[in-house]
Amino acid sequence: AQTVTQSQPEMSVQEAETVTLSCTYDTSESDYYLFWYKQPPSRQMILVIRQEAYKQQNATENRFSVNFQKAAKSFSLKISDSQLGDAAMYFCAYMEYGGSQGNLIFGKGTKLSVKP
Amino acid sequence: EPEVTQTPSHQVTQMGQEVILRCVPISNHLYFYWYRQILGQKVEFLVSFYNNEISEKSEIFDDQFSVERPDGSNFTLKIRSTKLEDSAMYFCATHGDRVTDTQYFGPGTRLTVL
Repeated sequence: AQTVTQSQPEMSVQEAETVTLSCTYDTSESDYYLFWYKQPPSRQMILVIRQEAYKQQNATENRFSVNFQKAAKSFSLKISDSQLGDAAMYFCAYMEYGGSQGNLIFGKGTKLSVKP
Repeated sequence: EPEVTQTPSHQVTQMGQEVILRCVPISNHLYFYWYRQILGQKVEFLVSFYNNEISEKSEIFDDQFSVERPDGSNFTLKIRSTKLEDSAMYFCATHGDRVTDTQYFGPGTRLTVL
């Protein structure tokens, strides 16, 4: 079974600085999708970024980028120019490609604090 | 921008009571999911639903749970006889006409079982 591991329960970053959140996963599949979701105190789940495993190029969305290392099964999220509004729980998630279900498998999350 | 909505935002119930959580998917979406997040823990998959039937369910989704899409718009999760351990945030998620589309989450329903 696929698993997702986030080894950093909590992280802290100074406003305007850069922080990297780690995620590793385990799968025997070659095609899959990876996601980072943000969960602010409101507990809404907000998609931050998405990566298709067949793409070698790392995904970017404004200040958010990923470092996808397929061989190492690593999928880290880099937040540049951190803002106070980035403070939230961040969940890494995996989805199998080509299945009929499409359910997400989540890691336990990393709580990010942003210091002014 | 279209969004997934869920009602109620917070439901308080007594142990043993039935609850129905409602979700209105984005209008052209065809795949629907329920997830659960116990406070302080990770988000866990409960069930997926496509073409008016369950596609997959987790071991959490036992006989106390059921889902349906009664009127072609609402997507509901029913818990027949709630237990204390059912207290959690319940998220509905939907995506479009391909199972590989991004899933969009509703704001969640916070269920408290007393």
